[in-house]
Amino acid sequence: DIQMTQSPSTLSASVGDRVTITCRASQSISTWLAWYQHKPGKSPNLLIYKASSLESGVPSRFSGSGSGTEFTLTISSLQPDDFATYYCQQYNSHPHTFGGGTKVEIK
Amino acid sequence: QVQLVESGGGVVQPGGSLRLSCVASEFTFSRFDMYWVRQAPGKGLEWVAFIRNDGSNKDFAESVKGRFTISRDNSKNTLYLQMNSLKIGDTAVYYCAKDALPRFGGYFDYWGQGALVTVSS
Repeated sequence: DIQMTQSPSTLSASVGDRVTITCRASQSISTWLAWYQHKPGKSPNLLIYKASSLESGVPSRFSGSGSGTEFTLTISSLQPDDFATYYCQQYNSHPHTFGGGTKVEIK
Repeated sequence: QVQLVESGGGVVQPGGSLRLSCVASEFTFSRFDMYWVRQAPGKGLEWVAFIRNDGSNKDFAESVKGRFTISRDNSKNTLYLQMNSLKIGDTAVYYCAKDALPRFGGYFDYWGQGALVTVSS
């Protein structure tokens, strides 16, 4: 199975900050990577697919980059609604494993 | 608006069984692969199971292989997860999720609201 490792596991930031989350795959997954936002009591929400494609309706402050084994999710200017946990997911091969998550907290 | 509505969650003893259902609406269910994903209390998301749009192919996480089965009834727009030999570690919120693309997608554009399964004696 492909292991997905996210860092950091927790991130404290302020409104307006630029935030970067890293996701590493244990083997190359090309650009078969998605990012989700998950808030307590809600269903996860797709942000980015194919490493850098923005899902329809997602604010442009979210962006993704990377290929192979190293990927990043960037929030250019953190908004109050962005405090949540973020997960990467590889879909190169089954099982489509998720990273451990990065919780973005208010500083 | 696409909707996925899970049901069938509850409390069950270790070794017991439970079947989750997920009723889909507002999209052509038979065109899309479907998945189950779970989140244990205080933990992250875990990919659990996959079924091809026509039911011809299925796959499972190692943690549930041999105990869980996945099926679908395209005439009823319904996805199922049969969970047998349940363990305390299976306690989680279970989400059904729709593949974003018809065939060979692998990421999820719509999720259900989640069904809580609690395995406890």
